Amino acid sequence: AQSVTQLDSQVPVFEEAPVELRCNYSSSVSVYLFWYVQYPNQGLQLLLKYLSGSTLVKGINGFEAEFNKSQTSFHLRKPSVHISDTAEYFCALGDYGGSQGNLIFGKGTKLSVKP
Amino acid sequence: GAGVSQSPRYKVAKRGQDVALRCDPISGHVSLFWYQQALGQGPEFLTYFQNEAQLDKSGLPSDRFFAERPEGSVSTLKIQRTQQEDSAVYLCASSLSYEQYFGPGTRLTVT
Repeated sequence: AQSVTQLDSQVPVFEEAPVELRCNYSSSVSVYLFWYVQYPNQGLQLLLKYLSGSTLVKGINGFEAEFNKSQTSFHLRKPSVHISDTAEYFCALGDYGGSQGNLIFGKGTKLSVKP
Repeated sequence: GAGVSQSPRYKVAKRGQDVALRCDPISGHVSLFWYQQALGQGPEFLTYFQNEAQLDKSGLPSDRFFAERPEGSVSTLKIQRTQQEDSAVYLCASSLSYEQYFGPGTRLTVT
């Protein structure tokens, strides 16, 4: 069975500091991965995606993530966060192994940026 | 262009009532997904349509849940005889390829 684990439920950080949100996955088939951001009372907005190819992917708002197959990880990073980055972040997995395309989500990490 | 829209945004239902939640996907998107997001959790898959065909309904929690997409565009998720455990945010997503684009969700509260 496939799964996504987000190791930190909450991450507090000061403005302009770097941040890393961790995501590990488990799957027996090839995967693709996304990071989504959710602001209060809103839907999910796609931050970035890894489908194949280069393992370092860049997304919107200065975020980037690195796909590491040996570590089964897809950690999200930003070198300098802003107050406006305060939100909940979800890592999601899809597989190329025949599923219909539904995504499996982690439980989310709440990023809180303090001034 | 217009994104995925959902209505109503908020719904309060008394236990035992039936509810219908609507999703308008991005025009031209073939695939449509419904997810349920409980408080403090990530979204969980409910069902999937490709055009008007419901190809996977393995995530529907009970036979009280029913979804349709009769013309391959707008979709409706219906919950019959609502229970308190149905309280959640229901998210709809549409897709042309691998990326899924989400609507704002409908927050259902069953009292």
